Amino acid sequence: GNSVTQMEGPVTLSEEAFLTINCTYTATGYPSLFWYVQYPGEGLQLLLKATKADDKGSNKGFEATYRKETTSFHLEKGSVQVSDSAVYFCALGDTGANSKLTFGKGITLSVRP
Amino acid sequence: DAGVIQSPRHEVTEMGQEVTLRCKPISGHNSLFWYRQTMMRGLELLIYFNNNVPIDDSGMPEDRFSAKMPNASFSTLKIQPSEPRDSAVYFCASSYLRRGGWTDTQYFGPGTRLTVL
Repeated sequence: GNSVTQMEGPVTLSEEAFLTINCTYTATGYPSLFWYVQYPGEGLQLLLKATKADDKGSNKGFEATYRKETTSFHLEKGSVQVSDSAVYFCALGDTGANSKLTFGKGITLSVRP
Repeated sequence: DAGVIQSPRHEVTEMGQEVTLRCKPISGHNSLFWYRQTMMRGLELLIYFNNNVPIDDSGMPEDRFSAKMPNASFSTLKIQPSEPRDSAVYFCASSYLRRGGWTDTQYFGPGTRLTVL
């Protein structure tokens, strides 16, 4: 079955540091890949997505590239801000009639001023 | 668009009481999902609907939980009787599934924080 593996957290960085959050997946077919972000007290929001191999999703300075050869979708940001402190979820979406997403466990990012 | 609407935002109840959580998906979306989030277990998919029909309820913890979607604009998640271990944040999400296509973005509501005393 489908699965998503995220690196263990939490992660604490200083403002303006470089961020990488690893995500690998197992899936049959050609899934879509997503990063969601959850700010304290809120629901999950889509951060970025990629629907096919070699696609790069980007938003708010965050980027992730769909790597089929390494089954990865790592999230990166060149310079984090305190406002990026949140929980980040990697997710995989099936193709075909199954519309559900498979989420990773999430990782908490804290950014210090 | 108003986004996914959930009510109530907070619910405090006593063990044994019935709890009903409500969700209004984004207009035009044809898939609806109920999730539960706790510190211990993370984010869990409870059940999801396509075109108002339950597709997979394997995540529903036990018979005390039930979900309905009487029409495209409304869904409920009911817990009867409630227990302290049901305390969690419950999220509803919706998306649009294209015919024969791939999974699209899910849009989450703000959640209902349930506390069972």
